[in-house]
Amino acid sequence: GQQVMQIPQYQHVQEGEDFTTYCNSSTTLSNIQWYKQRPGGHPVFLIQLVKSGEVKKQKRLTFQFGEAKKNSSLHITATQTTDVGTYFCAGPEKGSNYQLIWGAGTKLIIKP
Amino acid sequence: EAGVAQSPRYKIIEKRQSVAFWCNPISGHATLYWYQQILGQGPKLLIQFQNNGVVDDSQLPKDRFSAERLKGVDSTLKIQPAKLEDSAVYLCASSPNVAGTEAFFGQGTRLTVV
Repeated sequence: GQQVMQIPQYQHVQEGEDFTTYCNSSTTLSNIQWYKQRPGGHPVFLIQLVKSGEVKKQKRLTFQFGEAKKNSSLHITATQTTDVGTYFCAGPEKGSNYQLIWGAGTKLIIKP
Repeated sequence: EAGVAQSPRYKIIEKRQSVAFWCNPISGHATLYWYQQILGQGPKLLIQFQNNGVVDDSQLPKDRFSAERLKGVDSTLKIQPAKLEDSAVYLCASSPNVAGTEAFFGQGTRLTVV
């Protein structure tokens, strides 16, 4: 079945440094969605990318969807303490039911 | 707009006991999901409803888990009997008419089985 791999599992950064997480699917995705989960919280939808090669920005966050629609990345410029949390990618499996297949997440940790 | 409501927020039970969780999705959302999230892992889909019909329950341990969505609105997830490895956060989410679009999550129920 479809798998979505997400790396790295953790990333420790100094406040002000950049952060990137990568998502790779074993199959072509209909779209890719990104969610943020704060410690102790629930996943919150950030954005959805649909088109091949699409790039979207939300303030310091830049989201990309690969040309083959099998990979995606999230880049945060100049991290702040409010960015702390785990970032998940999820993509609907083509075929029946459009079940969202989730990556394992990348945990962003700000070094004290 | 009210969000996805879940109850209870926390539950502690002994193994072999039963437990039930309730979810009320966003009004008008046809798709409802139940996820299990074990600490440190991503959400794992247990069951997906489209209105009141099940469209995917391939990862639901049917020998102990059951779920229903009567009248295509709110839903309950039951575990009977619970095992230690069922300790997790159970998240309910809903999406508008078309499955595969953004999911809106409730705050979840943290289950501890002792």
